[in-house]
Amino acid sequence: QKEVEQDPGPLSVPEGAIVSLNCTYSNSAFQYFMWYRQYSRKGPELLMYTYSSGNKEDGRFTAQVDKSSKYISLFIRDSQPSDSATYLCAMRNDYKLSFGAGTTVTVRA
Amino acid sequence: GAGVSQSPRYKVAKRGQDVALRCDPISGHVSLFWYQQALGQGPEFLTYFQNEAQLDKSGLPSDRFFAERPEGSVSTLKIQRTQQEDSAVYLCASSLRRGTGELFFGEGSRLTVL
Repeated sequence: QKEVEQDPGPLSVPEGAIVSLNCTYSNSAFQYFMWYRQYSRKGPELLMYTYSSGNKEDGRFTAQVDKSSKYISLFIRDSQPSDSATYLCAMRNDYKLSFGAGTTVTVRA
Repeated sequence: GAGVSQSPRYKVAKRGQDVALRCDPISGHVSLFWYQQALGQGPEFLTYFQNEAQLDKSGLPSDRFFAERPEGSVSTLKIQRTQQEDSAVYLCASSLRRGTGELFFGEGSRLTVL
């Protein structure tokens, strides 16, 4: 079993919908939790970065971390076609990142 | 340059050939990482440099894989006697600080082994 599990989707939603993404993990040593966005044939770019349990909001994006359940989520409000990409959750212990498999999201205009 | 630069962007190799992939990190970044991303998967850690020192190479799949960063800036990932299972995107990332902080990824080098 992988350290980080993420449903690969794909997920297709109409423009304006809320996109909900999540990951579970097994390693209690993970201290930092991140969401990356990866467009086709591009490198991952950091979207959200959290350290503790709770919510963090940045514009249309909200990241949630529940360390007791080993579960993290990303919500995208008012989704736009430009949000169509693969979203990767990632977790860090010390310097090494462990990624989920990524969820491919398509926002239909 | 403004970001992490990788070359070549695309490489096709015949099985058994040696390949070299180059990474130019953001100027001044201390930490440099290589990750391997197979089709439909998330990136997997390969190796970590702090300046010129390779502090962790535990993710390298076999002794056919070798990475170096001799002057603490540009890094090269070399794969000897390539196999079909080596086909993947090889991502380089750099970070300003030692081992922590935001990672900035390059666009990757897509290797196809025939």
